[in-house]
Amino acid sequence: QVQLVESGGGVAQPGGSLRLSCAASGFTFSNSGMHWVRQAPGKGLEWVAFTRYDGNNKYYADSVKGRFTISRDNSKNTLYLQMNSLRPEDTAVYYCAKGGGQLELTNWGQGTLVTVSS
Amino acid sequence: QTVVTQEPSFSVSPGGTVTLTCGLNSGSVSTSYYPSWYQQTPGQAPRTLIYSTNTRSSGVPDRFSGSILGNKAALTITGAQADDESDYYCVLYMGSGIWVFGGGTKLTVL
Repeated sequence: QVQLVESGGGVAQPGGSLRLSCAASGFTFSNSGMHWVRQAPGKGLEWVAFTRYDGNNKYYADSVKGRFTISRDNSKNTLYLQMNSLRPEDTAVYYCAKGGGQLELTNWGQGTLVTVSS
Repeated sequence: QTVVTQEPSFSVSPGGTVTLTCGLNSGSVSTSYYPSWYQQTPGQAPRTLIYSTNTRSSGVPDRFSGSILGNKAALTITGAQADDESDYYCVLYMGSGIWVFGGGTKLTVL
């Protein structure tokens, strides 16, 4: 079955950096687009970024463009999110999700918490 | 700026029917936005319910259905059960590799 396991969350200072990872199994990772979605405490879901199956096309929400970078290593079945210039408003649980053929998010990880605070 | 709108909250009686909607601050939602719906209970990851307007995800009971109603996407729950009490989110594909979530609807079953 599809399994997505995020890691790398923690506490960072404003202006700092963190790199999140998402280990994928149970499906052909190299054939699937992948998303990052976040959820601030007590708030709704916010789409963050998407990468196509080959990593050649990457897309971002305006709120993170220029600060976050999505990438993938298909040889390791792993998705990444490099987060730079972190702000307190980036505090959230970050989920990775598998993209589907009908532009849906088919499967979700359990999330990893990022806290940006001094 | 594109805003996807959802009712902040809704309540339904056990066994009743409720329709949650997903709209746009400007324009109409059509199947071209590939609307999808997600259920989330507190402390849990979202679960995919409906995609491409009206296709149920694997294992989702048929009392959940999706449609376009007027100028909005809609999620209808028929015969609501206590464990349907959750937050429900829609997401629209805006084109050019961009998705936008609605603010979510908190559904109470009482």
